[in-house]
Amino acid sequence: EVQLVESGGGLVQPGGSLRLSCVASGFTFSHYAMNWVRQAPGKGLEWVSHFSGRGGNTYYAASVEGRFTISRDNSKNTLYLQMNSLRAEDTAIYYCAKDADYFGSGNYVRVFDNWGQGTLVTVSS
Amino acid sequence: DIQLTQSPSPLSASVGDRVTITCRASQSINNYLNWYQQKPGKAPKVLIYAASSLQSGVPSRFSGNGSGTDFTLTISSLRPEDFATYYCQQSYITHYTFGQGTKLDI
Repeated sequence: EVQLVESGGGLVQPGGSLRLSCVASGFTFSHYAMNWVRQAPGKGLEWVSHFSGRGGNTYYAASVEGRFTISRDNSKNTLYLQMNSLRAEDTAIYYCAKDADYFGSGNYVRVFDNWGQGTLVTVSS
Repeated sequence: DIQLTQSPSPLSASVGDRVTITCRASQSINNYLNWYQQKPGKAPKVLIYAASSLQSGVPSRFSGNGSGTDFTLTISSLRPEDFATYYCQQSYITHYTFGQGTKLDI
């Protein structure tokens, strides 16, 4: 059974830093791309960052580019999100999500097929 | 980035109703469109991928359609457990985006 368990959330002051972790089990972690997705209180889903399974390519949403850094340690089956220069608008539940290729309608598409339970980050003075 | 616009939002319906949620992309995304369901306090789960393929374990009353810029998610006969928020997501480019969500309530 695939499991994703996030940790590291908490209360931090504006301008502060926090590092989130997501420990994966039940699948070959190194083979899969991973993502961070966040959800502000009462709001919709926002994709934050992506780390490819092979090749080490990373991508960021414009709202976090230059402040957040995604990384992974395949030996520990763990995905990280280093968040610096935090702002009030970064307050959200942060989910990690496994990214897999699914074949449908004649081609492969990427799907977030497993999600963690999320960890809450609150940025406030 | 590719923008996704969902309608209607919110959506009120009753048990047994047939409902359709629409997702429109700001540019053509072929069939790189997924649908997720999220219940309060829970993580999202995938219902439909590649616009029309049903994820394993998802009831057949859920169906998806569309290609290019216009997509639909249809629930053929609403059950109480279907009242939730639904999101479309594009995976055409790695700067993934989600629609703003459609809250389906009674």
